[in-house]
Amino acid sequence: DVKVTQSSRYLVKRTGEKVFLECVQDMDHENMFWYRQDPGLGLRLIYFSYDVKMKEKGDIPEGYSVSREKKERFSLILESASTNQTSMYLCASSLLLREQYFGPGTRLTVT
Amino acid sequence: GNSVTQMEGPVTLSEEAFLTINCTYTATGYPSLFWYVQYPGEGLQLLLKATKADDKGSNKGFEATYRKETTSFHLEKGSVQVSDSAVYFCALSENTGNQFYFGTGTSLTVIP
Repeated sequence: DVKVTQSSRYLVKRTGEKVFLECVQDMDHENMFWYRQDPGLGLRLIYFSYDVKMKEKGDIPEGYSVSREKKERFSLILESASTNQTSMYLCASSLLLREQYFGPGTRLTVT
Repeated sequence: GNSVTQMEGPVTLSEEAFLTINCTYTATGYPSLFWYVQYPGEGLQLLLKATKADDKGSNKGFEATYRKETTSFHLEKGSVQVSDSAVYFCALSENTGNQFYFGTGTSLTVIP
């Protein structure tokens, strides 16, 4: 079975802090994705990566950056957390042109 | 462009009732179609998929048929259980790229 793990299930940070969310997959997938999920808005794509050191902006990249130094790991970085970034963050991975597999999510609260 | 529209919820059903959650899509090519399920406090899990027209995906009693003529992929289950209470997402993947397009999700509650 594909396993996608995220570093934290719950996280509380203060406004202005730098926040790192880590995602690791164990199936040698080329593609990795970061989404945020908010009530009534569904899933919105923040960034995705189709190879090591490659990244593409999604629909809502503002205020976020990403890093993919190794194939199995994709990090989401909030350079200066703000309260409007309080959300559920979901990581996913996939083979090229195949279904996505999701991690359990990180519920981030910024106070 | 590509998009997915699914019926708004929430949906509340009694145990053993018949379930339909409607999903229609817009795509520029020939996408693959998916249903994902999200249980409370968890990430999304793939429920079923179909990769070409007239394919039927099925899993755990759920079914959906890829209908190209109506651009639809409706989710059905003949007899729901309390344990089916979750949020269901319809999604499409274009066959020429890496991105997925998700619907906004439909919340299902099944009462005993």
